[in-house]
Amino acid sequence: GENVEQHPSTLSVQEGDSAVIKCTYSDSASNYFPWYKQELGKRPQLIIDIRSNVGEKKDQRIAVTLNKTAKHFSLHITETQPEDSAVYFCAASNTGNQFYFGTGTSLTVIP
Amino acid sequence: EPEVTQTPSHQVTQMGQEVILRCVPISNHLYFYWYRQILGQKVEFLVSFYNNEISEKSEIFDDQFSVERPDGSNFTLKIRSTKLEDSAMYFCASSETDRGEQYFGPGTRLTVT
Repeated sequence: GENVEQHPSTLSVQEGDSAVIKCTYSDSASNYFPWYKQELGKRPQLIIDIRSNVGEKKDQRIAVTLNKTAKHFSLHITETQPEDSAVYFCAASNTGNQFYFGTGTSLTVIP
Repeated sequence: EPEVTQTPSHQVTQMGQEVILRCVPISNHLYFYWYRQILGQKVEFLVSFYNNEISEKSEIFDDQFSVERPDGSNFTLKIRSTKLEDSAMYFCASSETDRGEQYFGPGTRLTVT
């Protein structure tokens, strides 16, 4: 089955700096890669996703890049703000509707 | 904005008992999912459901688990004989399209004693 690894497990950045979270996957058939933000005690919320027919997608301060050859994808948050502090999960899905999540990155933005 | 709802928010049960976790997906969504998250760990996929049948399930989703859409609005997860290791937060999610954006419910925290 698919194995998704996520790094780093914790990340602290100064407000205004950029944050990058990386994930690798093992199944070359995976073709959909969502990113979720989970604030403490709350439900995961989709923040951005990318499909394997594109290499990069951007939404305001958030971008995701995908390298299919290397089987890795990354989340980039620019101009970080304290409200970006949360746990971020990457996920991968191949055909069908089974999703494999990474282990999460706890991001802390220091004001 | 429509939301996925789940009941109860917290369920405490004794080992060996059956529990049913309930979810009301967003009304025009067709794809439904259950996930679990053990405290401090990653979200784990359990099962996906479409057109009144299971479309995918993980290794976690063994014979102790079952899902049902008993009417036009509810989507339930049943655990037949709970074990201590079933203690976790259980999230329901729904999406309008195949691998479209999934909307998560607030979760049910299941505690097995």
